[in-house]
Amino acid sequence: NAGVTQTPKFQVLKTGQSMTLQCAQDMNHEYMSWYRQDPGMGLRLIHYSVGAGITDQGEVPNGYNVSRSTTEDFPLRLLSAAPSQTSVYFCASSPDLLWVGYTFGSGTRLTVV
Amino acid sequence: KQEVTQIPAALSVPEGENLVLNCSFTDSAIYNLQWFRQDPGKGLTSLLLIQSSQREQTSGRLNASLDKSSGRSTLYIAASQPGDSATYLCAVGINDYKLSFGAGTTVTVRA
Repeated sequence: NAGVTQTPKFQVLKTGQSMTLQCAQDMNHEYMSWYRQDPGMGLRLIHYSVGAGITDQGEVPNGYNVSRSTTEDFPLRLLSAAPSQTSVYFCASSPDLLWVGYTFGSGTRLTVV
Repeated sequence: KQEVTQIPAALSVPEGENLVLNCSFTDSAIYNLQWFRQDPGKGLTSLLLIQSSQREQTSGRLNASLDKSSGRSTLYIAASQPGDSATYLCAVGINDYKLSFGAGTTVTVRA
């Protein structure tokens, strides 16, 4: 089925470890974003990309890196995990936010101990 | 900075009652407004998208209104069912790549 695929669905990390959250979409969307969702708060934008080779920071970028080498993939890297990065991470894509809106992946639940 | 607020944080209604969910935002210069549904442990499903030039959108039992001048949107769900139990999130498109989200309203429809 077409859509946004995130892997893994669950992950437990130790403080200081690094890892990459994967996001892939097969809809040829230009826009892709990473959000984190914390209890009692709205989703907050971490990083976004408006096309292959183009990325930029969102509201809460510290501790995260991204790259966009292809239209399909937009991985999120945690450089040195901290307990404050315990959250649910969502990847989203859109061909054109103005007229269509975003499609979200099912999320990655990350716990840092 | 755009602030999006959803009140109440939680709502419980008997089956068959109409649901009214509120969303307010501080900056009226928006591109669009989108309502999402989120089931426990799942991702977000888009319900309705209202462009900034529109006043409302309808899909089945769902109707969403937008009043930019007052910074408000309302999602109406007619004749609620237990399957409507979920968290509903409001998101404002503040430019062509970014959404600003509210914290959501968790709805429970009692059978």
